[in-house]
Amino acid sequence: AQSVTQLGSHVSVSEGALVLLRCNYSSSVPPYLFWYVQYPNQGLQLLLKYTTGATLVKGINGFEAEFKKSETSFHLRKPSAHMSDAAEYFCAVRLNNAGNMLTFGGGTRLMVKP
Amino acid sequence: EAEVAQSPRYKITEKSQAVAFWCDPISGHATLYWYRQILGQGPELLVQFQDESVVDDSQLPKDRFSAERLKGVDSTLKIQPAELGDSAMYLCASSLVGGALNEQFFGPGTRLTVL
Repeated sequence: AQSVTQLGSHVSVSEGALVLLRCNYSSSVPPYLFWYVQYPNQGLQLLLKYTTGATLVKGINGFEAEFKKSETSFHLRKPSAHMSDAAEYFCAVRLNNAGNMLTFGGGTRLMVKP
Repeated sequence: EAEVAQSPRYKITEKSQAVAFWCDPISGHATLYWYRQILGQGPELLVQFQDESVVDDSQLPKDRFSAERLKGVDSTLKIQPAELGDSAMYLCASSLVGGALNEQFFGPGTRLTVL
C-alpha cells in the first residue's frame, strides 16, 4: 500500500520569504513522486516530478523538490515567494508497476502575505 | 494550447436526482481518468480508461456511479441517484498512455453540490 502525508494543511509566508511545503510518503517499492498546484476553480497543473536519477528536481515557477529516500520525503521549496504562488499544492506518489495509480496527499494551502 | 475540457463547470442538484458530467480529453490522449476531490482533500481516482476500455474502476461506487467512453474519445460520468455525500469537485485528466512517466493533464473540473 502507498500513502502520502502533507504536514500542514495551511502555510502562510510573507512575500519574498522561503516557501517550504512538506511531503512524506510510504511505499513498499521505489515510487515516482509529483507535486501539483491547483489555483481556485481550476484543475491541477504539474509543477515537477521525480522518477529516477538526480534527487533534486527543478520545476516551473522557480519551485524545486528533493527526494530523500532515507527520510521518505519529497519536500517542495521556493527561495522567494510571490503573491501569485498563493494556491493549493498537492504531493502525489505513483508506483512504477502495472497499477500506475496516482495517490494524492490532502493538500497544503499556501497563503502569501504582502 | 490543447486542454482537457469539462462541462458543466458547476452543477447543483437535489438528492435522488441523476447527474452527468462530460469530459473531452486532449486530442490523441489514449488514457482518461476521472477523479473525485472532496473539499479540503486530495483527488481520488474513480476510474481509468485506456481507449474505450476500463483499466481500473476499483474505487468507483458502482451501485450509483457509471462511466463510459464509448468511442475512446470523450467520456461521461453519471451519478444516479445523487446523495448528499457526493458533493465534490469531479476532475477529468488525460495522458498519452497510462505509463508512470506520462504526465496527466487535468481539466478545470465540475463542482457538484447536492442539496
